[in-house]
Parts: sequence; structure tokens; C-alpha cells
Amino acid sequence: GEEVAQTPKHLVRGEGQKAKLYCAPIKGHSYVFWYQQVLKNEFKFLISFQNENVFDETGMPKERFSAKCLPNSPCSLEIQATKLEDSAVYFCASSPPGGFRNEQFFGPGTRLTVL
Amino acid sequence: SQQGEEDPQALSIQEGENATMNCSYKTSINNLQWYRQNSGRGLVHLILIRSNEREKHSGRLRVTLDTSKKSSSLLITASRAADTASYFCATHGSSNTGKLIFGQGTTLQVKP
Repeated sequence: GEEVAQTPKHLVRGEGQKAKLYCAPIKGHSYVFWYQQVLKNEFKFLISFQNENVFDETGMPKERFSAKCLPNSPCSLEIQATKLEDSAVYFCASSPPGGFRNEQFFGPGTRLTVL
Repeated sequence: SQQGEEDPQALSIQEGENATMNCSYKTSINNLQWYRQNSGRGLVHLILIRSNEREKHSGRLRVTLDTSKKSSSLLITASRAADTASYFCATHGSSNTGKLIFGQGTTLQVKP
């Protein structure tokens, strides 16, 4: 597609439950990035992919967060055993091949609320 | 913050006035990007300025970059109510993997 699509738009989970977020990058884009935005301010990088390969996972809290980008499927970000502090908006972005320093195209985000 | 500071944190102006936002960063860069975020929405890319450029224009936007001071500014001329949004600068920092490091953002309100 011509835009990055993210589903669901909103997700509510009880503490300890699993949450799974999906992202369909723009067709033809090679790079996918996940960011977490807490309190409408700071964006925190989580993980990036080059096609289906993890490119950089230095931002991931590895004990509970995992992510995948498999061929012919939306990318996913999964949080096992959610905590209150995971409440945030999660943004996915993609960028075209030819350079990972290009501009990034962002999806509308998934708002996760952990109760 | 990882990126540095953006100032001001909030800015309120009348329609038609100019708005200037500043951003500082900490590491050497390949380029610096500015994004806009409307309330409840994702980021929209506005402009990218490379480290060997000093100034760049796009419509009513003017971006400057001073690599010696590790700072950038975004000027929006003849502002409109529709420019009301949060504005973020972003760089790749010392990363070689494309991850963006964002400033704290400036919230701009343009009053009609």
C-alpha cells in the first residue's frame, strides 16, 4: 500500500496479559522501525528490520518484547505479560531501499492501555 | 534526553506570524530531519537537511543547520491554524542502523 498501516488502533489489556500489534509497511520498502511514544513526547526506538532480518534491536526490553517481519505477512510486535509502564502509543515506520538514513514514513500508531 | 533539547517546549502565536523552533543534538550527524505530529496522529516527515547543507527551504518552511554548534532551527512563515501540531527534530546519532533519535518536541499553537 501507499501508507503504513497499523492495527489495531486501540488495544486495552489487563496487567500480565499479552498484547500483539501489527504493521504493514509501504509496499517496496525494505526497512521497518518500531518506536514507543509515552506521554505525547519522547519517542523511544525499539527495533528495526531490513526485510525479515533484525537490523537493530538495541531498544527492545528483550525479556518481554519480541518482534517479527516475515515475508508476505504484516510485521508484528508482541509484548508478553504487559506492565502498566507499557501503556504508550506504538508507531511503526518504514523506509525505502537504498539507504536506511532516508526519511521514514510513519503509521498512525496503536495506542496500548494497560490496566 | 538522548537527543538534546528543543526549545521552546511550547509556542503560541497568532495566524500570520512566523514560528521558530530550535533543536540541539549531541553527536556528529549524516543528516537532520524535522517531523510534524498532529494530535493523535503519526509523524509526518517535513524536511531533511544533510550535514553539508546550511539551509534548506520547502514551501513555508526554512531549516538551518549549524554543525559547529550542533543545532538546527525550523522556521514556519505566515503560520496558519492548520500548522498547530508538535514538531520534532531527529537524527541518527552515532547509529549506523537507521534508528532515529528524537528531540522532546515543540508544541505549536496557532490561533486563528
